[in-house]
Amino acid sequence: DAGVIQSPRHEVTEMGQEVTLRCKPISGHDYLFWYRQTMMRGLELLIYFNNNVPIDDSGMPEDRFSAKMPNASFSTLKIQPSEPRDSAVYFCASSLTGSEQYFGPGTRLTVT
Amino acid sequence: KQEVTQIPAALSVPEGENLVLNCSFTDSAIYNLQWFRQDPGKGLTSLLLIQSSQREQTSGRLNASLDKSSGRSTLYIAASQPGDSATYLCAVRMFSGSARQLTFGSGTQLTVLP
Repeated sequence: DAGVIQSPRHEVTEMGQEVTLRCKPISGHDYLFWYRQTMMRGLELLIYFNNNVPIDDSGMPEDRFSAKMPNASFSTLKIQPSEPRDSAVYFCASSLTGSEQYFGPGTRLTVT
Repeated sequence: KQEVTQIPAALSVPEGENLVLNCSFTDSAIYNLQWFRQDPGKGLTSLLLIQSSQREQTSGRLNASLDKSSGRSTLYIAASQPGDSATYLCAVRMFSGSARQLTFGSGTQLTVLP
């Protein structure tokens, strides 16, 4: 298995633009998690899905952030409009049981 | 609210040394604890997962222990190698309902000098 796949790996955008991050979980995994990592706050859970349904989105920082999982093999995290303070590395992880999680390589987002 | 602390924040050792990384958590009602490795610019790689009922887990030169009552876990690395240089993160999962959230520590940045 190729593991969790994220795209793009790097994204540079201007403030106010819409940003869409993509994730393909490991096949057969029922859980999908979106995390954000910054120097100041470390790794934080934003939202997670079970069987394509959002279970807990309490970590989503603002209404500018939204996440979808239209099917078992694809999820998106969208930021609209983006702001410089959104600059971070965004990780997607998947899990078979919700317990042990496997992380993707991350998307490094820079908002100027 | 669960808080996870890792000390030290950074550690530098000569190759061949045995070393211990520490992780502490404030709420002992955990479901399990997971140790990860993160290389610069890369994602997280799961190293060991310890269930709350377990005392330790071993994988190769790595041994992780868990003392739930005292809120502590250690990651022991034997005969360290330069390739072990990375940031090591511990994360706990609470034993509560359908929660699957991991709470991460801030990590220990390990440098093994050749």
